[in-house]
Amino acid sequence: NAGVTQTPKFQVLKTGQSMTLQCAQDMNHEYMSWYRQDPGMGLRLIHYSVGAGITDQGEVPNGYNVSRSTTEDFPLRLLSAAPSQTSVYFCASSGRKSNTGELFFGEGSRLTVL
Amino acid sequence: AQSVAQPEDQVNVAEGNPLTVKCTYSVSGNPYLFWYVQYPNRGLQFLLKYITGDNLVKGSYGFEAEFNKSQTSFHLKKPSALVSDSALYFCAVSANTGTASKLTFGTGTRLQVTL
Repeated sequence: NAGVTQTPKFQVLKTGQSMTLQCAQDMNHEYMSWYRQDPGMGLRLIHYSVGAGITDQGEVPNGYNVSRSTTEDFPLRLLSAAPSQTSVYFCASSGRKSNTGELFFGEGSRLTVL
Repeated sequence: AQSVAQPEDQVNVAEGNPLTVKCTYSVSGNPYLFWYVQYPNRGLQFLLKYITGDNLVKGSYGFEAEFNKSQTSFHLKKPSALVSDSALYFCAVSANTGTASKLTFGTGTRLQVTL
């Protein structure tokens, strides 16, 4: 029972490089989201999706792109990495479009931008 | 805008003693409230939630939380702490809008349980 799978777990980038963080879930969840976790700031929502073909911005979307071509996958793209994007990134999914459902989180992707 | 405050960065408690992790919130309308736990190098795990109904909510691993509307609080409690409860705890809130979640998390409280 895989749940939410994130890859890679660790990544080091140079300023200006681009990369994609992958997220896949096998629970047929409609709702998927990306958060970043920074010390002393908790988790902040970057982007979210309520179904294939539908995405929307969260609290801190700048510098990130997302797409949702399938129910299972929700990749997060960093277009031109900056040191301020050094963080731990979590993908999460929920079985309900409404906000009553609990989130299932992946194990996280630790990104360092030099 | 909705917000969550966890006033304590760290809570220390001896094993076997009761524990409380505090959370207050601000949201327009009725809140949906959640507690999550994060163990080292892991993702967050759901503990419990308040949507409606009984103000005392019971969750996983013996944890419970009490919704207090007048004090806008949702404190996490456990009658007898275990060393294995040591982790980072997050409170979260969303508005009762019925639409997709924009869950707002607190900054987290580190619980340290010692023998």
